[in-house]
Amino acid sequence: SQQGEEDPQALSIQEGENATMNCSYKTSINNLQWYRQNSGRGLVHLILIRSNEREKHSGRLRVTLDTSKKSSSLLITASRAADTASYFCATKAAGNKLTFGGGTRVLVKP
Amino acid sequence: EAGVAQSPRYKIIEKRQSVAFWCNPISGHATLYWYQQILGQGPKLLIQFQNNGVVDDSQLPKDRFSAERLKGVDSTLKIQPAKLEDSAVYLCASSLVTGYEQYFGPGTRLTVT
Repeated sequence: SQQGEEDPQALSIQEGENATMNCSYKTSINNLQWYRQNSGRGLVHLILIRSNEREKHSGRLRVTLDTSKKSSSLLITASRAADTASYFCATKAAGNKLTFGGGTRVLVKP
Repeated sequence: EAGVAQSPRYKIIEKRQSVAFWCNPISGHATLYWYQQILGQGPKLLIQFQNNGVVDDSQLPKDRFSAERLKGVDSTLKIQPAKLEDSAVYLCASSLVTGYEQYFGPGTRLTVT
């Protein structure tokens, strides 16, 4: 079973708009990571947020973490056509394994 | 810095045949992972190595899948015999520190007919 579940499963926006996707998980975590996957390629690490952090920024990306609600959100601001991809959250609980969610497919229309 | 290398990129086989995938991680990365990604789903961890020892293989179908990491560097994943449901992309990843940022290879797309 998957620890993290992304919502929505798919998202379509216009270039320049913001995209927000959410991740919910079930057990306590050590850290939560977001990855991007372009069609037919491997995953690329975007950002990691630790369990004692609430918010983190990286360029046009903003990640929040609410451990009381067991949820995280990824915001992409001023989206570009190149942001079209699938986005996955991955959680690290006790132990060394990362567990990935099912992903959010984002389409940015020019 | 060279990334994670995988080969082949594509493979088509018939059910009951065998297949092997190869992965070369980023130099110096002690942890190596093999994931299975079925179309439309997230990656599922099959096996995790720390150097040449297995850390986690709880989701590896051991009756047909095997993996090894000789000398703690590159790794091979084998399926024997393949089933139709093994059709997926097999991703290899490595990390410097276990549980933190993972670097993925381009994957091998396997089609079993």
